[in-house]
Amino acid sequence: GDSVTQMEGPVTLSEEAFLTINCTYTATGYPSLFWYVQYPGEGLQLLLKATKADDKGSNKGFEATYRKETTSFHLEKGSVQVSDSAVYFCALSIPRTAGNKLTFGGGTRVLVKP
Amino acid sequence: DSGVTQTPKHLITATGQRVTLRCSPRSGDLSVYWYQQSLDQGLQFLIHYYNGEERAKGNILERFSAQQFPDLHSELNLSSLELGDSALYFCASSVSGLAGVFENTGELFFGEGSRLTVL
Repeated sequence: GDSVTQMEGPVTLSEEAFLTINCTYTATGYPSLFWYVQYPGEGLQLLLKATKADDKGSNKGFEATYRKETTSFHLEKGSVQVSDSAVYFCALSIPRTAGNKLTFGGGTRVLVKP
Repeated sequence: DSGVTQTPKHLITATGQRVTLRCSPRSGDLSVYWYQQSLDQGLQFLIHYYNGEERAKGNILERFSAQQFPDLHSELNLSSLELGDSALYFCASSVSGLAGVFENTGELFFGEGSRLTVL
């Protein structure tokens, strides 16, 4: 079946540090890939997405590139802020299958200290 | 604010009891998804409804059931509760969710969740 594996946290960083969260996937079809973010006490919200190989998704200074050859979609940000403290989820869905069902990774908690 | 409303936000109950969680999707969204988030299992897909019909089932226990009503709101019923059912239950909605009708964008809009504690 489809699955997503991401690095376990927590990841603790200082402000302005570089952030990388690794994500790899296994899929039976050609997936679309996503990063969702969950801020404390809130639901998940879409951070960025990529729908085909070599696409780069970007939003709020975060970037991730769809790498089909390595089945990866690593999330990066060059200079984190305290407000980036959250749990980050990598996810996939298979287009043109039943619904928009998302398969999530286990989540990575990121804590940015001033 | 995602536009998805879940009630109640917190619920504490005892083993063996039954609870109902409610979800109102974003205006115009036809699909509702239920997910369970627990510390040891992560985010698990439970079930998906599109315009009142069940479309997909995930790791949903037989003790759990759901439905989507004509006004598109959805309810998740959890019965014979066990300690292990303690979790955060999320509802999400999207405008599409029916293969071949709309291109799947993968963007789901999540509510803030209902935290269930079973004692």
